[in-house]
Amino acid sequence: NAGVTQTPKFQVLKTGQSMTLQCAQDMNHNSMYWYRQDPGMGLRLIYYSASEGTTDKGEVPNGYNVSRLNKREFSLRLESAAPSQTSVYFCASSGLWAQGQPQHFGDGTRLSIL
Amino acid sequence: AQSVTQLGSHVSVSEGALVLLRCNYSSSVPPYLFWYVQYPNQGLQLLLKYTTGATLVKGINGFEAEFKKSETSFHLTKPSAHMSDAAEYFCAVSDTGNQFYFGTGTSLTVIP
Repeated sequence: NAGVTQTPKFQVLKTGQSMTLQCAQDMNHNSMYWYRQDPGMGLRLIYYSASEGTTDKGEVPNGYNVSRLNKREFSLRLESAAPSQTSVYFCASSGLWAQGQPQHFGDGTRLSIL
Repeated sequence: AQSVTQLGSHVSVSEGALVLLRCNYSSSVPPYLFWYVQYPNQGLQLLLKYTTGATLVKGINGFEAEFKKSETSFHLTKPSAHMSDAAEYFCAVSDTGNQFYFGTGTSLTVIP
């Protein structure tokens, strides 16, 4: 059981380049999330998708777009990368909130923008 | 929106000593509460969670946490620290909006 899989694990971009971070989960979860983690700031929510076909902005959505491709997959796109977007990006998924289901996390994508 | 406060961004304990990591939250409704652990270059792993029922919750690796509604706290403890406990620990709260709110984390160092 793979859980949450993120690709790529590492990436270096130049300012202005674009790229898509991929995330897939095999737990049949309805909700999926993208976070960024920066030193001393914990995890900040970029976007989330409560269910297939819906997406909502989180705390720090500027400069990002997302696509909930199907129930399994939730991608994050940087259209024009900036150095301020250098971070570690985590994808997570969760089951029914009403049942107190926790989030399950991928291993992260370490992104450097030069 | 919820807020989660973790007192102490860095905590050091001696091997074998008590581990106490503090978490306070703001909530107007009964929340669901979680503790996660993150080892270097890895994602977050669930340590334990509180949903309903018994307020003392036991998790993996000998950790436990107690939900105290009157103090809006969910502190994490372990009676005896082990070198392998050195990691970053995050407290999180979820509410009716299907979102999770994280504290800024506490880095635990275990001194041999």
